[in-house]
Amino acid sequence: EADIYQTPRYLVIGTGKKITLECSQTMGHDKMYWYQQDPGMELHLIHYSYGVNSTEKGDLSSESTVSRIRTEHFPLTLESARPSHTSQYLCASSESVPGTGDTGELFFGEGSRLTVL
Amino acid sequence: AQKITQTQPGMFVQEKEAVTLDCTYDTSDPSYGLFWYKQPSSGEMIFLIYQGSYDQQNATEGRYSLNFQKARKSANLVISASQLGDSAMYFCAMRETNTGNQFYFGTGTSLTVIP
Repeated sequence: EADIYQTPRYLVIGTGKKITLECSQTMGHDKMYWYQQDPGMELHLIHYSYGVNSTEKGDLSSESTVSRIRTEHFPLTLESARPSHTSQYLCASSESVPGTGDTGELFFGEGSRLTVL
Repeated sequence: AQKITQTQPGMFVQEKEAVTLDCTYDTSDPSYGLFWYKQPSSGEMIFLIYQGSYDQQNATEGRYSLNFQKARKSANLVISASQLGDSAMYFCAMRETNTGNQFYFGTGTSLTVIP
């Protein structure tokens, strides 16, 4: 069973608020990711990190920011939330497969469902 | 161009029957991995099965098997003996080695198992 945790699971906030979605994994994985997913739709990569102090933007433009100060922690921050940010945010991690250059499967957290009023 | 195509937005299957969920992919990378994930209504993504591009045998995991046809670039998921708990969204994904191990997801197929 994967050990990757997201908090909060559900969040309803007003426009203009600053929020941070937490993501932690206890597996020592080097790679971590944030995906955004609208209900019943595909996943879009918004941020990823291949190690401490390394972060990159994904394919979907996002006003959020991330940090990776510790291997196990990859929080996502929205400085000023808007209704267009209403979505589910999924955090995932994976590890490099030794000697292959490949990456193993993604392990996902349970997701954070954000509603901005 | 879409990296992963899932052409079945919704599928229905009778309990205890088998069902095939389609997935085609597009890549010029000789080294890649194919994955299937299940997403129940609760929202979490559950890893089901993996197929490497160099694997000669089709992957199997319990009631799940992956019908890998490399020349056709298809990686269909077969679920045997469907159960009510199989009702969920199913996503096909591909990881390309040459693009820095990026993962690409399809649009998903909603499977409903009918009692």
